[in-house]
Amino acid sequence: DIQMTQSPSSLSASVGDRVTITCRASQSISNYLSWYQQKPGKAPKLLIYAASSLQGGVPSRFSGSGSGTDFTLTISSLQPEDFATYYCQLNYRTPLTFGGGTKVEIK
Amino acid sequence: QVQLVESGGGVVQPGRSLRLSCAASGFAFISSAMHWVRQAPGKGLEWVAVISYDGTNKYYADSVKGRFTVSRDNSKNTLYLQMNSLRTEDTAVYSCARAADFDFLTAFDYWGQGTLVTVSS
Repeated sequence: DIQMTQSPSSLSASVGDRVTITCRASQSISNYLSWYQQKPGKAPKLLIYAASSLQGGVPSRFSGSGSGTDFTLTISSLQPEDFATYYCQLNYRTPLTFGGGTKVEIK
Repeated sequence: QVQLVESGGGVVQPGRSLRLSCAASGFAFISSAMHWVRQAPGKGLEWVAVISYDGTNKYYADSVKGRFTVSRDNSKNTLYLQMNSLRTEDTAVYSCARAADFDFLTAFDYWGQGTLVTVSS
């Protein structure tokens, strides 16, 4: 099975900061990667699919990049509503493994 | 609008069975692959199973293979998860999610709120 390693597991940031979260696959998955945001008690929300495509309705401050084994999710200017946990997920083949998550907290 | 509503969760003893349902509305259910995902209390997301749009292809996480069965009734717009031989480590919120494309190897664009399954003696 392909393993997905996210880092960091948590981070503290201020409103307006640029935030970068990384996700590494244990083998190449081309661009078959998506990113989700989850707030406490809520369902995950799709942000990015195919590594860099922005899901409709998602603010443009979110962006994704990468291909092969290394991927990043960037929030260009952190907003109060962005404090949440973020997950990457491989869509290359089953099992469709999620990364361990990155909790973004207020500094 | 797209809605996915899970039901069937509860408290069950180890070794027993439970069947979850996911009622879908607001989209062409018959054209969508569907997934089950779970989240143990305070933990991350774990993919559980997927079923193709027509029910002919099904895949499972190793942790549930042989114990869980995913199925669907396209005439009722409903997805199911039959869970047998439940273990304490199966305790989690179980959510259904829609594949964003015809192919199930794609992102999940809509999720239900989930139903809590607690396995405890």
